[in-house]
Amino acid sequence: AQSVSQHNHHVILSEAASLELGCNYSYGGTVNLFWYVQYPGQHLQLLLKYFSGDPLVKGIKGFEAEFIKSKFSFNLRKPSVQWSDTAEYFCAPMRSYIPTFGRGTSLIVHP
Amino acid sequence: GAVVSQHPSWVICKSGTSVKIECRSLDFQATTMFWYRQFPKQSLMLMATSNEGSKATYEQGVEKDKFLINHASLTLSTLTVTSAHPEDSSFYICSARRLAVEIDTQYFGPGTRLTVL
Repeated sequence: AQSVSQHNHHVILSEAASLELGCNYSYGGTVNLFWYVQYPGQHLQLLLKYFSGDPLVKGIKGFEAEFIKSKFSFNLRKPSVQWSDTAEYFCAPMRSYIPTFGRGTSLIVHP
Repeated sequence: GAVVSQHPSWVICKSGTSVKIECRSLDFQATTMFWYRQFPKQSLMLMATSNEGSKATYEQGVEKDKFLINHASLTLSTLTVTSAHPEDSSFYICSARRLAVEIDTQYFGPGTRLTVL
């Protein structure tokens, strides 16, 4: 069975700090990778995605993620977080058009 | 573009009644929609894949007779929770895959909060 592991469940940072959220998945083969964000009171939005090509993917709002095939990882990064980045972040590998969501990471950024 | 709506946004019902939740893709066609359930502080659990014009595909452990899914058009899928019980209280979220465009990207609705008394 497919599984997704998000290592950090709760992260608290101050503004301007750097962020890295870990995501590992358990299966091989062709997989498409997504990060979604859910801001307080809002619905899930696509942050970035990887299908193929350059393993370093840039998304909205300064976020980026790196696909490392050998490590089955797709970690999310942002060099300098803002208060408005406070949200829940979900990693979601997709195989055969079916996504599997990680447990999510709650990020709180203090101003 | 790529807006998905859900109706209602919240509903409170008595135990034993049925509740219908609608998921609409407002500005695109979606042959495939997905229904998820999200518990507090937890991830989204895929319940079923809804395919336009055919039967839904349910994930293991999801009762198809309890969670009826109908995908009658390219812009509408409905989830009916039949004979609801308090343990069915949850946040139900749908998503839609755009037809022939970005087929692996899903667009999510805002969710429906169901509370069964």
